[in-house]
Amino acid sequence: GAVVSQHPSWVICKSGTSVKIECRSLDFQATTMFWYRQFPKQSLMLMATSNEGSKATYEQGVEKDKFLINHASLTLSTLTVTSAHPEDSSFYICSASFPGRAKNIQYFGAGTRLSVL
Amino acid sequence: AQKITQTQPGMFVQEKEAVTLDCTYDTSDQSYGLFWYKQPSSGEMIFLIYQGSYDEQNATEGRYSLNFQKARKSANLVISASQLGDSAMYFCAMGSGNQAGTALIFGKGTTLSVSS
Repeated sequence: GAVVSQHPSWVICKSGTSVKIECRSLDFQATTMFWYRQFPKQSLMLMATSNEGSKATYEQGVEKDKFLINHASLTLSTLTVTSAHPEDSSFYICSASFPGRAKNIQYFGAGTRLSVL
Repeated sequence: AQKITQTQPGMFVQEKEAVTLDCTYDTSDQSYGLFWYKQPSSGEMIFLIYQGSYDEQNATEGRYSLNFQKARKSANLVISASQLGDSAMYFCAMGSGNQAGTALIFGKGTTLSVSS
């Protein structure tokens, strides 16, 4: 079964509104989670690293004020797209790995398709 | 800097045939992991197989095997006895070291189409 849960799976919003996406690790504590963005027929691009109890680390070119990340607990990270615009429409997907394991296998949520009208 | 290259945008194969999806990588790290993920049209990313840089044996998971050639920096995925359900996008990825908590970088992906 799934080890990482992501919600919602699909969201449509009006331009200018904010959207929150949740990523939960199931049955394990993830001190680090990752947020990726994927445009159609393209690869996954890392947006940010979400660290429990501290500020997220953003990749170059990703606006931290635009994409707010909160990792308030060991099982939950949230990504908020603030003042969304049509160019923010994309597939957002999170991942986490079991801490303390030798293999860094990332398990992904089901992803969220965001459409901004 | 690390880099993953997948040069096959699309591959076509018939059911029950084997197919090889190519992946080459570049890194200056001594310790790293190589991964293959499957992404069907639903969008979910499904982990298929892992190969550590120090693993001497090629990884195998059911119908999936990873042809790891360290000197050539290649990590090709071999799918034996293709099934219709194998039609999806396949991504090769690499992570630094073998420790959990490091991000992966992905190749551009290969779309596999399996026909009956």
